[in-house]
Amino acid sequence: EVQLVESGGGLVQPGGSLRLSCAASGFTFSNYDMHWVRQATGKGLEWVSSVGTPGESYYAGSVKGRFTISRENAKKSLYLQMNSLRAGDTAVYYCAREGYGHAFDFWGQGAMVTVSS
Amino acid sequence: EIVLTQSPATLSLSPGERATLSCRASQSVSSYLAWYQQKPGQIPRLLIYDVSNRATGIPARFSGSGSGTDFTLTISGLEPEDLAVYYCHQRSNWPLTFGGGTKVEIK
Repeated sequence: EVQLVESGGGLVQPGGSLRLSCAASGFTFSNYDMHWVRQATGKGLEWVSSVGTPGESYYAGSVKGRFTISRENAKKSLYLQMNSLRAGDTAVYYCAREGYGHAFDFWGQGAMVTVSS
Repeated sequence: EIVLTQSPATLSLSPGERATLSCRASQSVSSYLAWYQQKPGQIPRLLIYDVSNRATGIPARFSGSGSGTDFTLTISGLEPEDLAVYYCHQRSNWPLTFGGGTKVEIK
């Protein structure tokens, strides 16, 4: 059974940093592109960042230069290092696997990140 | 950036009716168009990938169609459990984008 479990969310002050982790199981992690998607309360889905199987990374303009995505295949883990956090980064952050047709076929339960003083 | 515009914002229908949800892209997304369903309090679930392919376990009443810049998700025979927000998503160009969502309400 495919499982994605996020951790590392919490409350952080503006300008602070946080590192999210996503532990994968039930599939060969190294064979899949992985993504972070966020959702502010009551709002829609917003793509944040992606990392390919060779390790190349992509970012939404709103987080480029502040967030860093990485993966550790030996640990079947995906990470999102978030620096210089702003109130607008407050959201639930989901990790997602890219499967059939380049769509996100499995999602984690999400990690809540709150940026507030 | 490819902008995905979904319409209508809200759709209110009775059980058994057909729901037609639209997603229009600001430029061609080829066939890399997917649809997700998010029920209240739940995580998103993949419904349709590559425009018209149902994901594993998705009922046949859900179907996708379209090409280029205009896409449609159809729910034939609405069920009460179809109450949700539906998002389209393109994986054709960076940055990846989602539509703003269509909320389906059941009368």
